[in-house]
Formats: sequence, C-alpha cells, structure tokens
Amino acid sequence: DSGVTQTPKHLITATGQRVTLRCSPRSGDLSVYWYQQSLDQGLQFLIQYYNGEERAKGNILERFSAQQFPDLHSELNLSSLELGDSALYFCASSVPSSYNEQFFGPGTRLTVL
Amino acid sequence: AQSVTQLGSHVSVSEGALVLLRCNYSSSVPPYLFWYVQYPNQGLQLLLKYTSAATLVKGINGFEAEFKKSETSFHLTKPSAHMSDAAEYFCAVSRGTDKLIFGTGTRLQVFP
Repeated sequence: DSGVTQTPKHLITATGQRVTLRCSPRSGDLSVYWYQQSLDQGLQFLIQYYNGEERAKGNILERFSAQQFPDLHSELNLSSLELGDSALYFCASSVPSSYNEQFFGPGTRLTVL
Repeated sequence: AQSVTQLGSHVSVSEGALVLLRCNYSSSVPPYLFWYVQYPNQGLQLLLKYTSAATLVKGINGFEAEFKKSETSFHLTKPSAHMSDAAEYFCAVSRGTDKLIFGTGTRLQVFP
C-alpha cells in the first residue's frame, strides 16, 4: 500500500459525459501528479500540482482539467468524453526532494462506451 | 529532452534463471532513474531508484540495477527468477522535481 488513494476504482460512462476522478496523496506529500496509461500511448504525464498551484503540464487535452485543494487532495475532471479517453488514470504523490520519488495510487479505470 | 528506451516488450525466463530487463536513457542533465513494477490490475510500485549516490542500486524483492553513464544504461537484474516476479516493468527518468518519463514497459513471464 503506497498510501495514495484514488476513487473510484472503476468508472463506466458514455461518450459526451463528464467525470471526476479523485486522489488523496500520502500524508505530508505536497506534489500530486496525474498520469494516463493506455495501450497505444503507454504511461503519459498529464499534469502536476504542488501545494495547490499548477506546476507543470504534459499531454493534457483541453477537455481535461485538474485542481488541488487546500487539504492537498486533487481532482481530475474529464469532459466531453470520447471512446479514446478510455484508460487507466493514475495519481502519484511525492515529497519535496532532489530526486522526486513518486508513489502511485491504485488507479481509476475509465471505460467510455 | 529526456527519454527512455526499453528493449524488448516481452521477456520470458524459467524459474530460477537470471532476469535481465534493459533500459537506456537519454538526458541532457544528470538523470534520476527509476524502475517500477506493475502487477495485473494494480498501480505502480517502486522497485529501486538511482539518485547518483551509488552506481549499483539494490531494490526490493532481490532486484538490482547498475547505472552506467558511458553506456547510458540502467538495466534491471535479478539472479534467480520467481513465479511471483511475473509482471510489467517500467523504467523511468526524471530531472528532479519533475514529471517521470516512462519507457514502454517490458512484460516479464516466468515459466516453471
């Protein structure tokens, strides 16, 4: 158990819908990262938050957005869903350190029908 | 730009045999390197990390990796495979307080 929690574990929805994925980092970790894992794209970095502020963006679509709240939990919002958005979405957290060891949650499996 | 290449998307070994999973990196700055393991329907678990303290890094479950700057490699090894080692293994690189850039993964199969 990494100490990072993600809800829900599974999510099945239809095209055009909007969903919210939730992540709680390990106690004391200020950084939260979101990654997408799909068969065709592999593991791709989406976005990073540090202590409530957006720190870095990766290959995140404009239809996707995220935020980190004062209690440090984070939410990833996916809207106007398409079939191709079906994937595993991971959240990771890390302590501020020089080498940025990241701890991953169990993931949310999103299926868009 | 940083990148990671994992040679071999599938590796099969017999139980008790040596495991060797290959990873080569590209980085314009001294990298931090990681190996993660993913068991079916689970998240990623950190096996080991290179942070420039020592070139030979020991991780969990008997795995180790050696950082070779001249070869830009960080191959993962285990002297004797166990059935429970069957999983997908990812090599990753970062510059520090930054995103992880992952390789495409290597699926390890262990045969009895």
